Amino acid sequence: VQLVESGGGLVQRGGSLRLSCAASGFTFSGFWMSWVRRAPGKGLEWVANINQDGSEKYYVDSVEGRFTVSRDNAKNSLYLQMNSLRAEDTAVYYCARGAYLYVWGQGTTVTVSS
Amino acid sequence: SYELTQPPSVSVSPGQTARITCSGDALPKKYAYWYQQKSGQAPALVIYEGSKRPSGIPDRFSGSTSGTVATLTISGAQVEDEGDFYCYSADSSGNHWVFGGGTKLTVL
Repeated sequence: VQLVESGGGLVQRGGSLRLSCAASGFTFSGFWMSWVRRAPGKGLEWVANINQDGSEKYYVDSVEGRFTVSRDNAKNSLYLQMNSLRAEDTAVYYCARGAYLYVWGQGTTVTVSS
Repeated sequence: SYELTQPPSVSVSPGQTARITCSGDALPKKYAYWYQQKSGQAPALVIYEGSKRPSGIPDRFSGSTSGTVATLTISGAQVEDEGDFYCYSADSSGNHWVFGGGTKLTVL
């Protein structure tokens, strides 16, 4: 079982970024998937999750309307489209399997410059 | 919005029992999950559904819930158990999830 995030980088405030998470070693279409972040000096924060077929999506209040979680089961991939980025979105972003976060990727770093 | 409350830090000597608490109003009805994050590493699940251990997690890790308080217990803590521990659970709707603020465990 492996999750590999990509797409992080440096972006200006107000900009956009799309994170990807490539899954392998399990039946991706059978699981909820989640995004979690950890900002510098802060604790973990649940960001969003999505059900198996993408028909249910939930977000933390601070990203609602700016971030969109999606998935492509044919490509075993999870995505996080991040728009209108703010300095407080600077964090390491992790994807995780399940709503209960049984398996985690190693994370990808997003830095929003002001 | 829903909150889970943890102590910022817990410190024990090697071989002692460490207990980390997590307080939340929905815990009587929602399971607590516990994660350990060591420096420079991704978090790892150590307890799920309140009291179950994933394969590979030593049996010195245990979890319990009483009322609105979930507790992670490390019996005979080892130096390698140091790290940040987070509880995680859902709000009463079951649709929004939250982490506790995290507890830094020091074993020395």
